[in-house]
Amino acid sequence: EAGVAQSPRYKIIEKRQSVAFWCNPISGHATLYWYQQILGQGPKLLIQFQNNGVVDDSQLPKDRFSAERLKGVDSTLKIQPAKLEDSAVYLCASSFEGDEAFFGPGTRLTVL
Amino acid sequence: KNEVEQSPQNLTAQEGEFITINCSYSVGISALHWLQQHPGGGIVSLFMLSSGKKKHGRLIATINIQEKHSSLHITASHPRDSAVYICAAITGNQFYFGTGTSLTVIP
Repeated sequence: EAGVAQSPRYKIIEKRQSVAFWCNPISGHATLYWYQQILGQGPKLLIQFQNNGVVDDSQLPKDRFSAERLKGVDSTLKIQPAKLEDSAVYLCASSFEGDEAFFGPGTRLTVL
Repeated sequence: KNEVEQSPQNLTAQEGEFITINCSYSVGISALHWLQQHPGGGIVSLFMLSSGKKKHGRLIATINIQEKHSSLHITASHPRDSAVYICAAITGNQFYFGTGTSLTVIP
């Protein structure tokens, strides 16, 4: 069974630039999560989708972050414009009806 | 206060030692997840449990629902066990993560 795919694996940008991350969850997994993990901390939920609907985006900084999952399958997370404090690993995970979560390899973002 | 607290934050052990990582949570859960994160960021699911105990190889996870506490044990630790271990409390579709325990096993 293929796992959760993410791209790119690494990204370096300057502050005020834009960046987008892509996630393809495991086939059949209706729930998709985007997490931000700052070095030394546990993952923080940014947004949770159930199919193509948003379940929880309460911790998403909506002035600069946006995410979509148009067809209920893959998803993109965008940051526009990026700030220094956005440097983190962005993790995508999927699960089948809130069951065990499977994580992608993450995208390590460095904002200079 | 975090919904999920882990201890210790950092742990160094000699190869072969028995290791215990603790996780306490304050939310009502449907299950608890133990995850392993290696340098580079990839997260792997170790266990998901809602009662009792689970064992996989040298890893054992236990949970006490009444006390809202779970432990992850590693027997005969090995340098390749060096990683960050994260517990996550699952309520419905939501995950509450601990900040992780960084384990270093020295040969």
